Amino acid sequence: SQTIHQWPATLVQPVGSPLSLECTVEGTSNPNLYWYRQAAGRGLQLLFYSIGIDQISSEVPQNLSASRPQDRQFILSSKKLLLSDSGFYLCAWAPGQGSDTQYFGPGTRLTVL
Amino acid sequence: GENVEQHPSTLSVQEGDSAVIKCTYSDSASNYFPWYKQELGKRPQLIIDIRSNVGEKKDQRIAVTLNKTAKHFSLHITETQPEDSAVYFCAASGDRNNNDMRFGAGTRLTVKP
Repeated sequence: SQTIHQWPATLVQPVGSPLSLECTVEGTSNPNLYWYRQAAGRGLQLLFYSIGIDQISSEVPQNLSASRPQDRQFILSSKKLLLSDSGFYLCAWAPGQGSDTQYFGPGTRLTVL
Repeated sequence: GENVEQHPSTLSVQEGDSAVIKCTYSDSASNYFPWYKQELGKRPQLIIDIRSNVGEKKDQRIAVTLNKTAKHFSLHITETQPEDSAVYFCAASGDRNNNDMRFGAGTRLTVKP
């Protein structure tokens, strides 16, 4: 069966510091991968998605970036965090072509102070 | 692109009553409509989904209906229980690879014992 992992689970960072969040998927190959952000009490905002290694599409221009160095690894980064970057970051995966359902990871709660 | 609107934003019902959450979408090409349940601090979990080739789908106390002509779909929960309390998100997608899924803003359902 497929499993999706995210770490860290929680993170407190000062403004201006860098960020690296990691997501890995097990039990499948060539998944579509997604990064979402959820502000407190709000909906899901799609940040990036990837259909393959080094293939990243950005949905919202901001100070975040994403990379996919391996088939089942998706990384969200920032060089300098802003207060507005605080939120619940969710990674999701979906099977490749022909399937639609997205499955979410446990999330990383980021607080920028 | 797709735009999904969800109503109501909050819903409070008495245990045992039914709850209905409604969503509308803008892109007539959308053909996949999942519903997710998110408990406090947890990841969204898929609870039911429907594709455009059917008008209704039921799974125990949960049902989803789809009206493609009117471009709206609804989640129905019967015999609500306190553990149904959560935030529910609808979503719509039309791309075969699911790279254009858009979520509603969410409905906070509270079931009072």
